Amino acid sequence: EVQLVQSGAEVKKPGESLKMSCKGSGYGFRSHWIGWVRQMPGKGLEWMGVIYPGDSDTRYSPSFQGQVTISADKSISTAYLQWSSLKASDSAIYYCARLSHSHYYFDYWGQGTLVTVSS
Amino acid sequence: DIQMTQSPSSLSASVGDRVTITCQASQDISNYLNWYQQKPGKAPNLLIYDASNLETGVPSRFSGSGSGTDFTFTISSLQPEDIATYFCQHYDTVSFNFGGGTKVEIK
Repeated sequence: EVQLVQSGAEVKKPGESLKMSCKGSGYGFRSHWIGWVRQMPGKGLEWMGVIYPGDSDTRYSPSFQGQVTISADKSISTAYLQWSSLKASDSAIYYCARLSHSHYYFDYWGQGTLVTVSS
Repeated sequence: DIQMTQSPSSLSASVGDRVTITCQASQDISNYLNWYQQKPGKAPNLLIYDASNLETGVPSRFSGSGSGTDFTFTISSLQPEDIATYFCQHYDTVSFNFGGGTKVEIK
C-alpha cells in the first residue's frame, strides 16, 4: 500500500527555522516526483514545488522560489520542506503528494502538516 | 505562468441536482487538466485526470470535459457525500497550478 506520512504539527515563532518531512512507503520512492502544496486557513491549494528523489532535480513555483527549500533523502525515502526564517504568513497546512508515473497528477497525498507561526 | 480561473467560488444545490463547475486557463493547455475533491479536514483526492478521464474507483456521476482554455466539471446528480471543495489543476513540465476552488453545499 502506497503511503505518504508527514511529520507532526509545529508551533513556531517568527524568525525560527523549520524542516518538515514526508516519508514514502509501498512504492519505489526514488522514481516518483514528490510535490509540496500549501493551504492557508480557509483558502485554496497552492503548488510550491516538486522534487525527483532519484537525482534531486527540483522545480519551484515562482511564488515560492527563494522562500523555501525542497530536498529529499532517497536512502530513507523521505522528502523535506524547510524554511530558514518563518513569517506569520507561513501559517498553513502543508501537504506532500506523489506525482503519478504515467500522468501528471498527484495520486497519493500525505495527511498534511499544520504549521502555526505566532509570537 | 498559466493562470487558472475557476467559477463559481461557491454554489448551493439540492440533492439530485446537476452541478457544473468551470475552469478557464489563461492560454491553451490542451487537455492538461485535473480535478480534485477536498472534504473538510482531509487531503485532496483525484477525481478526473487529463480533462475527461475518470480515476479508478470514482463514481460515474462525476465527469469532466473540455480542451484548450475552457473546461467543465459536472456532478450529474448531487449526493450528500459530495459536499466538498473542488479544484481544477493545470500541469506541465514546470508548473502544477490550481484553480481557486469551488465550495459545493447542499441547499
